[in-house]
Amino acid sequence: AQSVTQLGSHVSVSEGALVLLRCNYSSSVPPYLFWYVQYPNQGLQLLLKYTTGATLVKGINGFEAEFKKSETSFHLTKPSAHMSDAAEYFCAVRRTGANSKLTFGKGITLSVRP
Amino acid sequence: EAQVTQNPRYLITVTGKKLTVTCSQNMNHEYMSWYRQDPGLGLRQIYYSMNVEVTDKGDVPEGYKVSRKEKRNFPLILESPSPNQTSLYFCASSSRGQATSYEQYFGPGTRLTVT
Repeated sequence: AQSVTQLGSHVSVSEGALVLLRCNYSSSVPPYLFWYVQYPNQGLQLLLKYTTGATLVKGINGFEAEFKKSETSFHLTKPSAHMSDAAEYFCAVRRTGANSKLTFGKGITLSVRP
Repeated sequence: EAQVTQNPRYLITVTGKKLTVTCSQNMNHEYMSWYRQDPGLGLRQIYYSMNVEVTDKGDVPEGYKVSRKEKRNFPLILESPSPNQTSLYFCASSSRGQATSYEQYFGPGTRLTVT
C-alpha cells in the first residue's frame, strides 16, 4: 500500500522567506507524485507533478519540488513567499497503472506573515 | 472551459433524509472519483469509476452509493445520511492516458452538514 506523510499541520513564514513543505511517501513501485494547493473556500489546484525524467520539477506560482528516490521524498519549495501563497497544501501519490486513485497526505496550512 | 462541476455547493440536511450530490465533467474523462475532506485527515477516496458502468469502492465507502450511467456524470448518493457524514466532498476526473499521468481535475467541493 502507498502512503504519504506530511509532518506538522501548520507552517508560518515571513513574506520573502523561503518556503519548505516536506513530503515523504511510501510506495512499492515507482510513483507519480503531486502537490496540490487549496485556497480558502476553493477546490484543489495542481501545483506540480513528477512522473518520469528530470527529478526537479517546476510548477506554477514559482513553486518547485525535487523527487529524491533514495530519501522517498518530494519536498515543495519556493524561494520567496508571497502573502498570496497562504493556503493549504497537499502532497499526493499514485502508483503507475490503471487505477488512478490518489493517496493524499493530511495537508499543511501555510501562513505568510507581513 | 474544461471543468468539473458539483451541485449543490452547500447542503444542510437532517439524519436519514436521502440526498444526491451531482458531479459532471466536460473533458470526456474515463476516470471519476469522489473524495471527502476532513480536518487533519486530508482527502480520502469514497468511490471511483474507471468508465461507464464500472465502479469500485475506495477507502471509506460505507454509507455511500454511486452510479455511472453516462461518461460525464458520477453522482454520489447518501441513502440515509448520518452526522458523521458531515464533510467537504470533492469530485475529480482524469483521463486514463499515460501522457497526462492521470492528473486529476477537481470540482469546487460540496459542503454537507447532517444534523
